[in-house]
Amino acid sequence: GENVEQHPSTLSVQEGDSAVIKCTYSDSASNYFPWYKQELGKGPQLIIDIRSNVGEKKDQRIAVTLNKTAKHFSLHITETQPEDSAVYFCAASAYGQNFVFGPGTRLSVLP
Amino acid sequence: DVKVTQSSRYLVKRTGEKVFLECVQDMDHENMFWYRQDPGLGLRLIYFSYDVKMKEKGDIPEGYSVSREKKERFSLILESASTNQTSMYLCASSLPSEQFFGPGTRLTVL
Repeated sequence: GENVEQHPSTLSVQEGDSAVIKCTYSDSASNYFPWYKQELGKGPQLIIDIRSNVGEKKDQRIAVTLNKTAKHFSLHITETQPEDSAVYFCAASAYGQNFVFGPGTRLSVLP
Repeated sequence: DVKVTQSSRYLVKRTGEKVFLECVQDMDHENMFWYRQDPGLGLRLIYFSYDVKMKEKGDIPEGYSVSREKKERFSLILESASTNQTSMYLCASSLPSEQFFGPGTRLTVL
């Protein structure tokens, strides 16, 4: 079955700097890769996603890149702000069926 | 906006009790999921359902069962709660791709 690894497990950056979180997946059938942000006491919220027919997607300060050959995808957050502090999860899915999640990255943005 | 609601935010139960966790979504989604979330382990899939009265085991179904009598409602049942089922439980529903989560239920089994 699918296995998703995520690095780093914790990340601290200064406000205004960029943050990058990387994930790898194992199943070449996976074609949908969402990223979730989970704030304390809340459920995960979808922040951006990418499908296998696209190499990069951007939404304001957030971007995701996908390398299908290497089976890895990354989340990039630019100009980080304190409200970006949260736990971020990547996931992989084949056709919206079984979602497999990475273990999460705790991002701290220091003022 | 998609809304996924869960019946309780916090729940405390005793070992051996039968526990029901309810989840309701208002967007007519076919797919619904139950996960548990534990520190360092991420989200692990317990059960999922792609249609009414349909259910499939996820990665960790032992000690749990589910019920989907109506499209909008997916219930997780702990037949006899044990202390190792203390966890955060998250319900989700999805379109063919995008998955939306409820706020979670933090269950403590004493």
